[in-house]
Amino acid sequence: DAMVIQNPRYQVTQFGKPVTLSCSQTLNHNVMYWYQQKSSQAPKLLFHYYDKDFNNEADTPDNFQSRRPNTSFCFLDIRSPGLGDAAMYLCATSRETGGGQPQHFGDGTRLSIL
Amino acid sequence: GNSVTQMEGPVTLSEEAFLTINCTYTATGYPSLFWYVQYPGEGLQLLLKATKADDKGSNKGFEATYRKETTSFHLEKGSVQVSDSAVYFCALLDTGRRALTFGSGTRLQVQP
Repeated sequence: DAMVIQNPRYQVTQFGKPVTLSCSQTLNHNVMYWYQQKSSQAPKLLFHYYDKDFNNEADTPDNFQSRRPNTSFCFLDIRSPGLGDAAMYLCATSRETGGGQPQHFGDGTRLSIL
Repeated sequence: GNSVTQMEGPVTLSEEAFLTINCTYTATGYPSLFWYVQYPGEGLQLLLKATKADDKGSNKGFEATYRKETTSFHLEKGSVQVSDSAVYFCALLDTGRRALTFGSGTRLQVQP
């Protein structure tokens, strides 16, 4: 029944050790988004894919990268995690952009940095 | 630029009380407006939406009306339950934009 699935729910990594978070969707939506949500804050968009077209937000650190090998999957790669990257990472999808299309979120991956 | 302002929480209510969470926005175009709810440890769930002025979104007893004249989209529920305890985010999607602009969220605590 789950439509946007994020794995794992909890991820622990060491300072500076690369980590990859994954997201898959069964909705066949064109657009996939990655948001970062720090404690008690609103989600902040990192980047999104429209199909294979990658769109980076201007203030997303270079440390964060993404891959979308096919329609269903999207990955968030953090090359050298710092303590400030500890957060909940949310994946979302939408059929199209704009036009009132809602975004459907996964349950998130909570990333901890040791 | 676009922005969303929500009332600060936490909002603490007794069960069956009336709920209002205020949300106002600024946008350059003609945005669509959304309310999302986030339960502890979970992602965001779409609660309701409205895509044009005077539209009323409703779901699970919650309602919000898109008021262009006051640039508001206040969330209301006539009788809250303990299970409504969560963080509520107001958000907008502006014309030609791909990213949601979120408010800072309002934590609702409902006591039995």
